[in-house]
Amino acid sequence: AQKITQTQPGMFVQEKEAVTLDCTYDTSDQSYGLFWYKQPSSGEMIFLIYQGSYDEQNATEGRYSLNFQKARKSANLVISASQLGDSAMYFCAMREESSNTGKLIFGQGTTLQVKP
Amino acid sequence: DAGVTQSPTHLIKTRGQQVTLRCSPKSGHDTVSWYQQALGQGPQFIFQYYEEEERQRGNFPDRFSGHQFPNYSSELNVNALLLGDSALYLCASSFPTGGVTAEAFFGQGTRLTVV
Repeated sequence: AQKITQTQPGMFVQEKEAVTLDCTYDTSDQSYGLFWYKQPSSGEMIFLIYQGSYDEQNATEGRYSLNFQKARKSANLVISASQLGDSAMYFCAMREESSNTGKLIFGQGTTLQVKP
Repeated sequence: DAGVTQSPTHLIKTRGQQVTLRCSPKSGHDTVSWYQQALGQGPQFIFQYYEEEERQRGNFPDRFSGHQFPNYSSELNVNALLLGDSALYLCASSFPTGGVTAEAFFGQGTRLTVV
């Protein structure tokens, strides 16, 4: 079974509008972390935002916020006021406490295109 | 402060050959993880090195091997290359005891093409 599922292969958004990228996860661990990364065409993975399983408040980092719904096992990324530079691939990832190495498990990604 | 650096950035190899990819972790980090990212897919964990030893391996054959040096830099070696090994290889560094909150810093990757 997929541990991280991103059901939107591609998304379009108008510049200055908000967009939500979906992510659902599956784990039996009580302690885990959820991450979002941005990957431009250059290839580097850029960390955006993190949410811990025990965090009661949704994480926010500038224009990025994470809509964490633990009961539904979803961790959607919301980008407000989209900019042309936001066009990239976005990955949701999870780290489980039971993994002694802290390896990241990634979803398939969502390609976001921001239209001027 | 130098981030994670990988070399080379691009590489073309022939089927059956061997390749070595290199990674220098972010300053202060002593744990290096390697990921393979096929085109249009999410990265897949290959293995992780800490204290010069392999700590965990993902679902990759023994053709994939690695090494970590005393200065924490790391190499990924792939033997008997297959066309399916063509991918972006990403290196990530982190602290080993960061737990679930530890942020992993990624390099820009090495794009390997096998022809």
